[in-house]
Amino acid sequence: EAGVVQSPRYKIIEKKQPVAFWCNPISGHNTLYWYRQNLGQGPELLIRYENEEAVDDSQLPKDRFSAERLKGVDSTLKIQPAELGDSAVYLCASSSGGGNTEAFFGQGTRLTVV
Amino acid sequence: SQKIEQNSEALNIQEGKTATLTCNYTNYSPAYLQWYRQDPGRGPVFLLLIRENEKEKRKERLKVTFDTTLKQSLFHITASQPADSATYLCALYTGGGNKLTFGTGTQLKVEL
Repeated sequence: EAGVVQSPRYKIIEKKQPVAFWCNPISGHNTLYWYRQNLGQGPELLIRYENEEAVDDSQLPKDRFSAERLKGVDSTLKIQPAELGDSAVYLCASSSGGGNTEAFFGQGTRLTVV
Repeated sequence: SQKIEQNSEALNIQEGKTATLTCNYTNYSPAYLQWYRQDPGRGPVFLLLIRENEKEKRKERLKVTFDTTLKQSLFHITASQPADSATYLCALYTGGGNKLTFGTGTQLKVEL
């Protein structure tokens, strides 16, 4: 079975341009996370979905970031407009839910804003 | 404020020795604590989970301890190998739900 799939793997854009990341979680996983990871740091939670509902988006910079999870499966994270400080790796993860279950991560999208 | 802290400095050890990594947290009461491994250019991969009422958990060469009084977890790799070189992240399930919060990570280098 395929793991968590993210695309694109790499993206270079100019500042003020929009960008979108896509995530396909493991089939049957109700919980989906988007994290941002800066170099040398741990992943920082941006938003968490339970099915199609965003249950924790307190860390999402809502002035420029948006996310959706249609039909409780695939998810898209968008930044508009991008800023230089948004350069990071964006990771998507999914789990079947509950503290005693592991999270499965995709390979991430490395975003460079120039 | 809530913090999950791991040694920011890289840990260098010789092959065959035991590596010990530390995870300290403040202002959390996690029901579960997890450890992940992350290789360069890859997403984190789950290694072990320990519950708040467990003191120790083992899996092959890995051992995790969890002291809720000290608010600390220790992660041990025995008989370390160069292939164990990676960044190791601890993560807490908090808030009574499925919120998974990560520490800063510690880079381990195992030398021949």
